[in-house]
Amino acid sequence: EAEVAQSPRYKITEKSQAVAFWCDPISGHATLYWYRQILGQGPELLVQFQDESVVDDSQLPKDRFSAERLKGVDSTLKIQPAELGDSAMYLCASSREMGAFFGQGTRLTVV
Amino acid sequence: QKEVEQNSGPLSVPEGAIASLNCTYSDRGSQSFFWYRQYSGKSPELIMFIYSNGDKEDGRFTAQLNKASQYVSLLIRDSQPSDSATYLCAAHGGDSNYQLIWGAGTKLIIKP
Repeated sequence: EAEVAQSPRYKITEKSQAVAFWCDPISGHATLYWYRQILGQGPELLVQFQDESVVDDSQLPKDRFSAERLKGVDSTLKIQPAELGDSAMYLCASSREMGAFFGQGTRLTVV
Repeated sequence: QKEVEQNSGPLSVPEGAIASLNCTYSDRGSQSFFWYRQYSGKSPELIMFIYSNGDKEDGRFTAQLNKASQYVSLLIRDSQPSDSATYLCAAHGGDSNYQLIWGAGTKLIIKP
């Protein structure tokens, strides 16, 4: 069964350092989402791609976060510099039409 | 502002009983609705979707949609301890960008 691949699974970084997450969506899925989820809350959309184009990045803190999907396939989310408040689960999901399918996520801890 | 609302719970249900989870949405243009199950520390898993008024059944799960009342529900029959999780409701906005609007989730606890 096709899956969304994410790496790393866990990341511990010091504040002010840079950190990057990678996502490979299900083959053929044009829509790719990056979400941040804090315990007890629903996923918060950071950025949504349609192929290589950004369709929604209104909630992305652009002073420190960046995302790209250069060839419309895999994607990278970067944080620089990381802050303590960035500690959360970062989820990548992809979609073709009905629903979004999630990767296993990256648990980020900023110390 | 498009919103999806869920009772945060926890909802406690005895093993073997029916668990009923509810969700309301604000955008009348929403076309499709999704239920996800999320175990603690794991990512959300799609369990049901529905886009027509009425009921849709899949095993022990039944999704119900009432577009007039802007209401979606998920019923879990013969609840098992393994059903204990947070259930997230999401609505697809009906636009071509496949935007998903998420509820905050309901925590379900099945008591043995």
